[in-house]
Amino acid sequence: QKEVEQDPGPLSVPEGAIVSLNCTYSNSAFQYFMWYRQYSRKGPELLMYTYSSGNKEDGRFTAQVDKSSKYISLFIRDSQPSDSATYLCAMPLGGGYQKVTFGTGTKLQVIP
Amino acid sequence: SAVISQKPSRDICQRGTSLTIQCQVDSQVTMMFWYRQQPGQSLTLIATANQGSEATYESGFVIDKFPISRPNLTFSTLTVSNMSPEDSSIYLCSAPLAGDRNEQFFGPGTRLTVL
Repeated sequence: QKEVEQDPGPLSVPEGAIVSLNCTYSNSAFQYFMWYRQYSRKGPELLMYTYSSGNKEDGRFTAQVDKSSKYISLFIRDSQPSDSATYLCAMPLGGGYQKVTFGTGTKLQVIP
Repeated sequence: SAVISQKPSRDICQRGTSLTIQCQVDSQVTMMFWYRQQPGQSLTLIATANQGSEATYESGFVIDKFPISRPNLTFSTLTVSNMSPEDSSIYLCSAPLAGDRNEQFFGPGTRLTVL
C-alpha cells in the first residue's frame, strides 16, 4: 500500500463548478498536509498548507483534514479555466527539514 | 516570496553522456532536495543535499549515478551520469523556505530528454 493515495483523474468540470480533490494516507505520523498545484511544464507551486484537523480557507480554496479517517481534501469554489492543472497532495513527516511524500496528483480541467 | 532557480531549463542529451543541473536559492537553507518526475508520474525524492556533508540518497538512487554537490547554503548541483533514455524526466530541486521548515518550495524544473 502506498503511503499516500490520490485519484489521478483526469477530472473535467465546467467553469464555476465546485471541485473536490482528495487524498488518503496510511501513516498516522503525518501531521502536516500540503497541496501543490502544478501547471504543465512548470514546477509545483505550494497552494495550501495545514497542520491540524478541520478546515483552512484561502480565497476560493479550502483545505480540509480529517486525521481520524486519514483523509484530506481540497475544495475549489467557482472554478476557473486558470485552475486547470495537476494538484498534488503532499505530507512531510514533520519535525523540521523532512522529506516530503507526494500523492500521484489529480489532473483537473476546467472547461469554459 | 523566495525564489528557486534552475539551469538549464531543458536539455537534449546523447546516451552515455552526463548533465549537471544547477539549483540556486535566494536565501540560505540548510537542506535542499532533488526530485525526479517522470512523464505522467508524481515526484520521487532522489536525495537530500546537506551543506558540508555528503548527500543522503533514497532507495533506488546511488551516488555514482546521481552525484550531488552542495558547496554553500544557497547552491546545489545534481549530475545525471552515463545517461540512458530511462533518465528522461523532469528534475526538480526544492528547499524549505518562508520560515516554516515543512513548507517545500520548488524550482521550475529541468526537462531532460536522453536520445
